[in-house]
Amino acid sequence: KAGVTQTPRYLIKTRGQQVTLSCSPISGHRSVSWYQQTPGQGLQFLFEYFSETQRNKGNFPGRFSGRQFSNSRSEMNVSTLELGDSALYLCASSWAGEGEQFFGPGTRLTVL
Amino acid sequence: QKEVEQNSGPLSVPEGAIASLNCTYSDRGSQSFFWYRQYSGKSPELIMSIYSNGDKEDGRFTAQLNKASQYVSLLIRDSQPSDSATYLCAVRDRMDNDMRFGAGTRLTVKP
Repeated sequence: KAGVTQTPRYLIKTRGQQVTLSCSPISGHRSVSWYQQTPGQGLQFLFEYFSETQRNKGNFPGRFSGRQFSNSRSEMNVSTLELGDSALYLCASSWAGEGEQFFGPGTRLTVL
Repeated sequence: QKEVEQNSGPLSVPEGAIASLNCTYSDRGSQSFFWYRQYSGKSPELIMSIYSNGDKEDGRFTAQLNKASQYVSLLIRDSQPSDSATYLCAVRDRMDNDMRFGAGTRLTVKP
């Protein structure tokens, strides 16, 4: 069974630009959660999508948004990038938003 | 504020010893508990899940849960240098289903 995949793996952007990250969950999983990980703040929850609906949202500004498609693939978008957005962005999938979550390899975003 | 607390470490143990990692959580409604291992530069990898009070063993790993004390631990027996990583405790509650992570404990196993 294929694991969670994320694309791209690395991104370099400049301040003010926007970025879209993609996540394909494990086959059969309907829930996708997104996290931001930085050395100083640890793993911070961004949002969770289940059956194309945002079910939970963390404490991030509106520049961070996401969506989920009918095939459970998810995208997150960050607009007007700031230097502080440099981080490892992780997505994790689970069968129904309960129980175990499995992480993808992450997208490392660097904002210059 | 629902919190998950871990000793940040670093925790250093000699090869072959038992490493003990601890986690406390504030939300009594928490129902599901997980331990993840994260190597430097990699994503977290699920190593154990536990849902009921008591011990759960999987190879060299034992998870222990005490809901009354709001405490979950991970024991690693016969620690190996390859176990050197950051261990993240995660807790999911019943109400909003959020998965909350601790800051992680960095473990170093010295040969």
